[in-house]
Order: sequence, then C-alpha cells, then structure tokens
Amino acid sequence: EAQVTQNPRYLITVTGKKLTVTCSQNMNHEYMSWYRQDPGLGLRQIYYSMNVEVTDKGDVPEGYKVSRKEKRNFPLILESPSPNQTSLYFCASSLGGPTYNEQFFGPGTRLTVL
Amino acid sequence: GQQLNQSPQSMFIQEGEDVSMNCTSSSIFNTWLWYKQDPGEGPVLLIALYKAGELTSNGRLTAQFGITRKDSFLNISASIPSDVGIYFCASSKVITDKLIFGTGTRLQVFP
Repeated sequence: EAQVTQNPRYLITVTGKKLTVTCSQNMNHEYMSWYRQDPGLGLRQIYYSMNVEVTDKGDVPEGYKVSRKEKRNFPLILESPSPNQTSLYFCASSLGGPTYNEQFFGPGTRLTVL
Repeated sequence: GQQLNQSPQSMFIQEGEDVSMNCTSSSIFNTWLWYKQDPGEGPVLLIALYKAGELTSNGRLTAQFGITRKDSFLNISASIPSDVGIYFCASSKVITDKLIFGTGTRLQVFP
C-alpha cells in the first residue's frame, strides 16, 4: 500500500531532550516536507526537500533540523525541544513540487514538550 | 509570513444542507488547492485549480478560482456526516517548491 508513515504517533518529552520523528514513504517520491499544525494557524511548513541531500527552509524552521540521506526517509530532528514546539506534525511527500503534484500526508505526530 | 484567511472559522450545519466557504488573500496567486483533514488523519487533496475563473467539481464538491486571483471558494452540496473535518485552502504565487496553507474551516454536520 502506497503510504507515508511517521513514528512515533504520540510523544511526550521534556524541555531540552533531543528527539527525532521519523518519516518514510514507499512511493519513490522526490519531494518531502514537514509541516506543523497549530489551532488557528493552519499548516505551516518547517522544511522541505526536493531530492536526496537537497533540503531547504520553510516558513518556520527555527529549532528544527532535517536530513535527506535516502530518498524514502526524511527525519525531523529537535535538538533541544521547547514548549512552543508542542504541536501536531505532519510529513508529506509528492512526486515533484507540491504546486502541480498531489501531496500525500502521513497520519501525524502529536508532540508535547513539558 | 504570508497567510491565507479562511472563513468561516467553523460551521455547524444539519445533514442535507449546502455549505460554502472561502479563502482570501491580499496577494495574487496562481494556484488554489483545497484539502480536507478527517479527524485524526492527515490532509487529503480534494480539488486543484490552476486558472483564474476556473470552476471544478469533484462529486458534491465544487471549487472556483476567483477572477481577481486573490480568492477561492469551495461549496459542498447536500452535506452528509462524513463531510465532517477541517477544510484547508493552499496556494502558491509561482511554480515553487512551497505551498502556503490557509487557517482552516472546521465543519460539523449534525444528523
């Protein structure tokens, strides 16, 4: 089944404890992206990647890192999480850029930073 | 950063009613996309619009790309319980690697 998977689905952590949220897609998509969803703000893009070893900042990249060493994986890294990073995170992938290619979203990761 | 304003923020309607929501911006855009997010899931693309004035349907859903290029509308006819969710518009000014998402319209349908 073609899909985008994220792990973990739920995570509660404490301020300053490094964490990684994994994202994997099995559709051989070149484009992958991370978004965060907050009430009243919709979806905001954190980072995106057009291909292996090519990443770029979205609208809210501060406090996050990403890497794209393989085509299928695009992990999101929080080196020192803070409470303002408590949010619902979505990974998405598409064949090419999302303007003309349908983006497929993962099920989401709900992160709470205490 | 640039945001797209959606209205209404939330809607509570009865099954069978028609629904209308819109997305506006102060800037001109070249693309309008509409996504739906079911409770507990990620968003799914419903309709894509690429030309000013374009009117596109997908089943009971109809969306239009505003003539001014600054807005878009989504209509749902004869709503059913499974229409419940959050509807997002998304857009881009040029063919870029980035989409801007709207603030969302939350729809509740009562039997």
